[in-house]
Amino acid sequence: EDQVTQSPEALRLQEGESSSLNCSYTVSGLRGLFWYRQDPGKGPEFLFTLYSAGEEKEKERLKATLTKKESFLHITAPKPEDSATYLCAVQDRGGSYIPTFGRGTSLIVHP
Amino acid sequence: ETGVTQSPTHLIKTRGQQVTLRCSSQSGHNTVSWYQQALGQGPQFIFQYYREEENGRGNFPPRFSGLQFPNYSSELNVNALELDDSALYLCASSQMGRDSTDTQYFGPGTRLTVL
Repeated sequence: EDQVTQSPEALRLQEGESSSLNCSYTVSGLRGLFWYRQDPGKGPEFLFTLYSAGEEKEKERLKATLTKKESFLHITAPKPEDSATYLCAVQDRGGSYIPTFGRGTSLIVHP
Repeated sequence: ETGVTQSPTHLIKTRGQQVTLRCSSQSGHNTVSWYQQALGQGPQFIFQYYREEENGRGNFPPRFSGLQFPNYSSELNVNALELDDSALYLCASSQMGRDSTDTQYFGPGTRLTVL
């Protein structure tokens, strides 16, 4: 059974204080790993898809990296508007097109 | 390019009633997935429709049912509502195919409250 564990559950940062969120996963074979941002009461907003170990993608202050067992979402010099819940999901190569989601990391960035 | 839309945005029902939620997929997408998200949890997969056929189902009882229409829009129906059905219901569309990325794009969600 595919498993996704995100840590920490919650993270408080000061504006400008860089940090990383972790997503550990267990799949028989990785088809894709997805990162989403979710604001309270809204639908998740797509950020990145990663397919193979060593791959990296960047968007503004966010950078996602992937190894064979985990992914990191690095946030550089965050701003208050980066406050949100960040969700990670994995898709198994075993034929299912259905991603398994983690519970998310709630990020609050204080001005 | 039109994004994923859902209706209604909010809904209040009483226990035992039935509800229908609607979703319009992003243009060019042929697959719709439905998720239930309780407060503080990640989205839980309900089912997926690909070209009007159910393509997978999560651990939800048969009172959760769905449809996909020829224009790839979709409905989620829940019968005999229970208090625990209160949640944010999310619809996600994607393009399934040989060269697709399978990335799912979510709608804004429908907040269902069961009293």
